[in-house]
Amino acid sequence: DAGITQSPRHKVTETGTPVTLRCHQTENHRYMYWYRQDPGHGLRLIHYSYGVKDTDKGEVSDGYSVSRSKTEDFLLTLESATSSQTSVYFCAISGGLQDTQYFGPGTRLTVL
Amino acid sequence: AQSVSQHNHHVILSEAASLELGCNYSYGGTVNLFWYVQYPGQHLQLLLKYFSGDPLVKGIKGFEAEFIKSKFSFNLRKPSVQWSDTAEYFCAVRDSNSGYALNFGKGTSLLVTP
Repeated sequence: DAGITQSPRHKVTETGTPVTLRCHQTENHRYMYWYRQDPGHGLRLIHYSYGVKDTDKGEVSDGYSVSRSKTEDFLLTLESATSSQTSVYFCAISGGLQDTQYFGPGTRLTVL
Repeated sequence: AQSVSQHNHHVILSEAASLELGCNYSYGGTVNLFWYVQYPGQHLQLLLKYFSGDPLVKGIKGFEAEFIKSKFSFNLRKPSVQWSDTAEYFCAVRDSNSGYALNFGKGTSLLVTP
C-alpha cells in the first residue's frame, strides 16, 4: 500500500464548529486530492493540489478550504461544519498523468 | 469534463457465477480508465487501468476489462466470482482539467452468496 495516512479516522462534531482533516504522504507525490464518498454518489472531488501552495477547487468545494504548506501534508478544513458534510472523506495521491491514484484509509465524519 | 456511468447499482451472484459490470464513458478523445474495488470498511484499491495499447486489460484477483472505443465502454469481468469478491466496484475516468483527478461512477455493490 502507498504511504498515505489520514487523521483523525473518525470524528463526531457539532454543527457550526470548525473541523480540520489531515492527509499525510510519504511518497513525495506532487498531486494530492480530497474526495467525499456518499451513498448513491460514488466519490466526488472536493479540492486538489498540484504542488506546495498550489490548490484548486473540485466539483463539491463549497464549505471547504484546503492548504498545502509541505509536499507531504494536505489539510482539509470545514470552516463551519453542517450536517450535509457528514460523509467519509478520502485523500488520494498521484505522481501525475501516467500514474495511478492511491487512496488513504478514509475519515468518517459525523456532524450532529 | 469526462464522466462515467455504471449501469448496475446492485448485483447479487452465487459463487462460481460469471461477472460483468458495465461502465460507459462520455468522452470521445483519449481517455484513461480505471476500476477500483472497495471491500467493506476499507479504502479503494486499484483493480486495473487502461491508458493505451491492448484493449483487454488484466488486473489483480482474476479481474479483466475490455476497452471498446466504438461503444464507449470499459466493462469489468471475472469468469468465476468468490464470496471474497463481495465489495463495491467503481469505474473512473481521469479528468485532465482537474489536476488529473478521477471522475467516478456511482458504484456497483456486488454481493456474492455461498
